[in-house]
Amino acid sequence: KNEVEQSPQNLTAQEGEFITINCSYSVGISALHWLQQHPGGGIVSLFMLSSGKKKHGRLIATINIQEKHSSLHITASHPRDSAVYICAVRRGTSYGKLTFGQGTILTVHP
Amino acid sequence: KAGVTQTPRYLIKTRGQQVTLSCSPISGHRSVSWYQQTPGQGLQFLFEYFSETQRNKGNFPGRFSGRQFSNSRSEMNVSTLELGDSALYLCASSLGGQAETQYFGPGTRLLVL
Repeated sequence: KNEVEQSPQNLTAQEGEFITINCSYSVGISALHWLQQHPGGGIVSLFMLSSGKKKHGRLIATINIQEKHSSLHITASHPRDSAVYICAVRRGTSYGKLTFGQGTILTVHP
Repeated sequence: KAGVTQTPRYLIKTRGQQVTLSCSPISGHRSVSWYQQTPGQGLQFLFEYFSETQRNKGNFPGRFSGRQFSNSRSEMNVSTLELGDSALYLCASSLGGQAETQYFGPGTRLLVL
């Protein structure tokens, strides 16, 4: 079993819909990252969380340390949000080392 | 500030050859991490360098090696290339503390024939 599991693996939505991507992990962590990867490969870091909730524009990320679970929400989705969203965790004192989920492919149709 | 840069962006090699990839971090960043991304295995951690020292290493064979220079630029080398080494190789930089955002470069796409 992977240390980091994401669901769903694929997600299709209509423009304007509210989207949720989930991430569960099985190890103790010091931080959890949400990343966005567009076709062509470039990765952008969206959030880094160690507790609670963060918001940036239409994106909201939450984490529940006790339940080892995080969610990424996109409000009022737009076709430009189409990308792969990747959850990654940093364990303890593992400087620089991220362990990744398999990614969620999001497609938003106009 | 300029972002993380990687060179070359694309590379074609044949089995048995070796390859060197370069990563220039954001100015002031002292940590550089390397990752391999393949369709089958997804993203996997290779190694991380901080102040010219390897601080962390993933589960890759010894054919994969790296180094970091005094200006924080980093190189990774893969010797005796295998077909399975075809992948997107990404580097990411950060200031070097424990819980920091990593900034990713555009990647080097390596094809081994």
